[in-house]
Amino acid sequence: DAGITQSPRYKITETGRQVTLMCHQTWSHSYMFWYRQDLGHGLRLIYYSAAADITDKGEVPDGYVVSRSKTENFPLTLESATRSQTSVYFCASRVTSGGYEQYFGPGTRLTVT
Amino acid sequence: QQQVKQSPQSLIVQKGGISIINCAYENTAFDYFPWYQQFPGKGPALLIAIRPDVSEKKEGRFTISFNKSAKQFSLHIMDSQPGDSATYFCAASSPFDYKLSFGAGTTVTVRA
Repeated sequence: DAGITQSPRYKITETGRQVTLMCHQTWSHSYMFWYRQDLGHGLRLIYYSAAADITDKGEVPDGYVVSRSKTENFPLTLESATRSQTSVYFCASRVTSGGYEQYFGPGTRLTVT
Repeated sequence: QQQVKQSPQSLIVQKGGISIINCAYENTAFDYFPWYQQFPGKGPALLIAIRPDVSEKKEGRFTISFNKSAKQFSLHIMDSQPGDSATYFCAASSPFDYKLSFGAGTTVTVRA
């Protein structure tokens, strides 16, 4: 029972490079979310998805792209990484109904040099 | 704009003491108020949650107090232990929106 996994766990990339962070959940949860965590800002929502092929912008979507072709996967792409995107990224999922709890992955620490 | 305001940003408490974290919100449509606990290097995990039809909920040493008229809720950690040292986030959600609005987080350090 893997739950929700993220890869890679650590990534160093250069400014201007494209990088994709992967998120995979085994529960068949409909809702999935991407957050970034920065000191003093808590968890800020980047993008979210209600189901396969349904995505929407969160609080801080600029510079990011998401896709969701399968229910279990929700990759986040930084099209041209900038130093301001250095952060810890968390993926989360939630059941469709019956509860609001979000289950978080272990996070990806991304450094843009 | 942050829909949930959390304070303090950090606190230090002695072992056996009480830790208190406060949150305030404006959106009266919010009907679910969870607290998440995060240890270093890990993702946040649900600790305890409350609905506005009750004023208090207790699970072990953790208690949520809820004041609907003041639009405030707080987390009390009784008999704080070094293992409670973590970052705590309050959050809120409404039935019209499946997203959670998170507070900025409070780092709690329990000194032995």
